Amino acid sequence: AQTVTQSQPEMSVQEAETVTLSCTYDTSESDYYLFWYKQPPSRQMILVIRQEAYKQQNATENRFSVNFQKAAKSFSLKISDSQLGDAAMYFCAYFGLSGNTPLVFGKGTRLSVIA
Amino acid sequence: SAVISQKPSRDICQRGTSLTIQCQVDSQVTMMFWYRQQPGQSLTLIATANQGSEATYESGFVIDKFPISRPNLTFSTLTVSNMSPEDSSIYLCSVDGYTFGSGTRLTVV
Repeated sequence: AQTVTQSQPEMSVQEAETVTLSCTYDTSESDYYLFWYKQPPSRQMILVIRQEAYKQQNATENRFSVNFQKAAKSFSLKISDSQLGDAAMYFCAYFGLSGNTPLVFGKGTRLSVIA
Repeated sequence: SAVISQKPSRDICQRGTSLTIQCQVDSQVTMMFWYRQQPGQSLTLIATANQGSEATYESGFVIDKFPISRPNLTFSTLTVSNMSPEDSSIYLCSVDGYTFGSGTRLTVV
């Protein structure tokens, strides 16, 4: 079975600085997606960024980028120019494409942004 | 990707009662997933709902406690039955594998 590990329960960053959240996963599949979700206190799961495993190029969405290392099964999220609104829980998730299987989530990292 | 409308957004319920959560999708989808997120925890899959067949429940979740309906390809409901304070959680539906509704924050008192 697939597993996702987020080893940092909590992180903090100064406003305007850069922070990297770590995620590793384990799978025997070759075709899958990886996601980072942001969950603010409003409870909604907001998709931040998606990476297809077959793509070598790291995904980027404005201030958010990933470092995808397929061989190492690592998928870290970098947030540049951190803003107060980035404070939230961040979840890394794995989605296998071999069938209609659900997401596998990590335990999450709580990010605080210090003004 | 699909857009999901989930209702209610939050509710406070008395123990022993039941609450039904609805998810309406703006397009037809084969499978819908229901998750529970207990306070301070990650998401846990409750069940997978296919249209026209009974939902498939994960270990630790049973149909009597969490009955699910899937009457068509755009709609599903999850009922939390005979609630206790331990059922206080965020409940989320999902389609496409990775698109989520806005969530329902349930507090049982």
